[in-house]
Amino acid sequence: QKEVEQDPGPLSVPEGAIVSLNCTYSNSAFQYFMWYRQYSRKGPELLMYTYSSGNKEDGRFTAQVDKSSKYISLFIRDSQPSDSATYLCAMNTGFQKLVFGTGTRLLVSP
Amino acid sequence: SAVISQKPSRDICQRGTSLTIQCQVDSQVTMMFWYRQQPGQSLTLIATANQGSEATYESGFVIDKFPISRPNLTFSTLTVSNMSPEDSSIYLCSVEDSSYNEQFFGPGTRLTVL
Repeated sequence: QKEVEQDPGPLSVPEGAIVSLNCTYSNSAFQYFMWYRQYSRKGPELLMYTYSSGNKEDGRFTAQVDKSSKYISLFIRDSQPSDSATYLCAMNTGFQKLVFGTGTRLLVSP
Repeated sequence: SAVISQKPSRDICQRGTSLTIQCQVDSQVTMMFWYRQQPGQSLTLIATANQGSEATYESGFVIDKFPISRPNLTFSTLTVSNMSPEDSSIYLCSVEDSSYNEQFFGPGTRLTVL
């Protein structure tokens, strides 16, 4: 079993939809959770960073962590075609190597 | 966030040759990392490079195959040695913000080995 599981998609939605991206993990010691966005032929870009449980909101993006279920989510409201990218979750125990999911490819159609 | 550049952005190489990838950061950072991203797979950490010490390699990666240099706090190189087609991948460097446990990535080097 992988430490971090993420559905590879692709996930296709119409413009304006609410998108939910998810990861599950097995290591209960993980405390820091990140979401990266990666456009084709580009490096990953840090989108959201969350410590421990709870929600964090930044514009149209909300990151949610449920440590009891070992489950994290990224919600995108009012999705735009420019949101089409691969979204990678990543996590660690703190100042240690990051463990990444495989990434979910998101396609937002106009 | 740090601005990171990598050279080359892409290359096509012959089997048995070596390629050195450069990573330059616009600010001084303690920790730099080298990752590999193969098609359809997650990012895999190759090694951690700290200035002034030997790089620390992850399981499955060895110094003879992936020698790393870290001559100062803004620069690092990764060499992919004696390449085979299985080394075809995207190679990414990243740096860590020592205050916030955040990692930032360079644009990547797309390597194809024939």
